[in-house]
Amino acid sequence: NAGVMQNPRHLVRRRGQEARLRCSPMKGHSHVYWYRQLPEEGLKFMVYLQKENIIDESGMPKERFSAEFPKEGPSILRIQQVVRGDSAAYFCASSLNRGPYNEQFFGPGTRLTVL
Amino acid sequence: KNEVEQSPQNLTAQEGEFITINCSYSVGISALHWLQQHPGGGIVSLFMLSSGKKKHGRLIATINIQEKHSSLHITASHPRDSAVYICAVKEDYGGSQGNLIFGKGTKLSVKP
Repeated sequence: NAGVMQNPRHLVRRRGQEARLRCSPMKGHSHVYWYRQLPEEGLKFMVYLQKENIIDESGMPKERFSAEFPKEGPSILRIQQVVRGDSAAYFCASSLNRGPYNEQFFGPGTRLTVL
Repeated sequence: KNEVEQSPQNLTAQEGEFITINCSYSVGISALHWLQQHPGGGIVSLFMLSSGKKKHGRLIATINIQEKHSSLHITASHPRDSAVYICAVKEDYGGSQGNLIFGKGTKLSVKP
């Protein structure tokens, strides 16, 4: 039973390019969360999705960032026109349900570097 | 002031020592998580607890809901325990499920 998969593990982009980060949840999990960890800072919630729906995007920057979790395939976090300040580690987590006692399982992260 | 505060920020210990990492929070919560992050690595969930105490191997986590405080203890520490330990709370909106709020982490280094 594979854990949460993220790819790529490392991504280098030049300013102005697009970055696409993928997350495959654990088998059977339909709840996906994206978090960002800026250098020297703690993790911050970005967005919570269920299959085909964005449930809570209160942590997403208003511009350039979008997320989706289609019926088939992985969840995608998309960053358009990247800037140096987007350089961070992006973690995805998944859970079986949304209730308060449902554990989230984290992926290995994607480390984005913007040159 | 951060909603989740951890102490200490950095901790250096000798192999075999008993280690305690503290977490205080200021919001109502439904659950608290302790996570482990190795340098350059992913995040592993160690514990999720909402009351009392949990033990797994050499790791023990306790929580006092009234005092809004949790501790993570490591007995007989080993260099392989060197990592960043992160406390995260799930905010309770009285039935509506909040998101995880994270502390900044405690960087532990265990010397042989």
